[in-house]
Amino acid sequence: DVKVTQSSRYLVKRTGEKVFLECVQDMDHENMFWYRQDPGLGLRLIYFSYDVKMKEKGDIPEGYSVSREKKERFSLILESASTNQTSMYLCASSPLGPAGGYTFGSGTRLTVV
Amino acid sequence: EDQVTQSPEALRLQEGESSSLNCSYTVSGLRGLFWYRQDPGKGPEFLFTLYSAGEEKEKERLKATLTKKESFLHITAPKPEDSATYLCAVLGSGGSYIPTFGRGTSLIVHP
Repeated sequence: DVKVTQSSRYLVKRTGEKVFLECVQDMDHENMFWYRQDPGLGLRLIYFSYDVKMKEKGDIPEGYSVSREKKERFSLILESASTNQTSMYLCASSPLGPAGGYTFGSGTRLTVV
Repeated sequence: EDQVTQSPEALRLQEGESSSLNCSYTVSGLRGLFWYRQDPGKGPEFLFTLYSAGEEKEKERLKATLTKKESFLHITAPKPEDSATYLCAVLGSGGSYIPTFGRGTSLIVHP
């Protein structure tokens, strides 16, 4: 069964910590994405990548960075965690063409205290 | 700019009470319309892709239809396990691979 795997389901971090969220997909998809989801705000795109070592800013990139050193892995980095980054983080992947929808990971619920 | 509006925001049904969820969209050149199901605390699960007006897709009690302005997700004789948030997204012909998501419809089916 094809999968997008996020390394942690739940994380609690302290304000100011550097936080790494890892995402791995086994479908050989070119495109990978990071979203955050908050009640009443829906899904908001943070960063995406169309290829290895390539990244593009989404709608809300401030306070975040990403890394894609291998095709299957896309990491989201919170440089200095703040309480307003408490959220559900969702990784997704899709093939290069528009034919398929996203495959999402199970999500990481991050709490910054 | 592509736009997606889902209605209603929330829907409560009795088990067996059929209904429909609406996804209205504006897009310049539709490449695909997607439906997802999301259970609480989990990532969205892909259900359907629709590409052109008149197309229909079915999966168990769910049937998705598409016109040039909207899509419906029909739920026939729902069961409590159909309770979830249903998300709609559209991909336009703008050249990127970033779909525009709606805010979702939260469905609760009471036994």
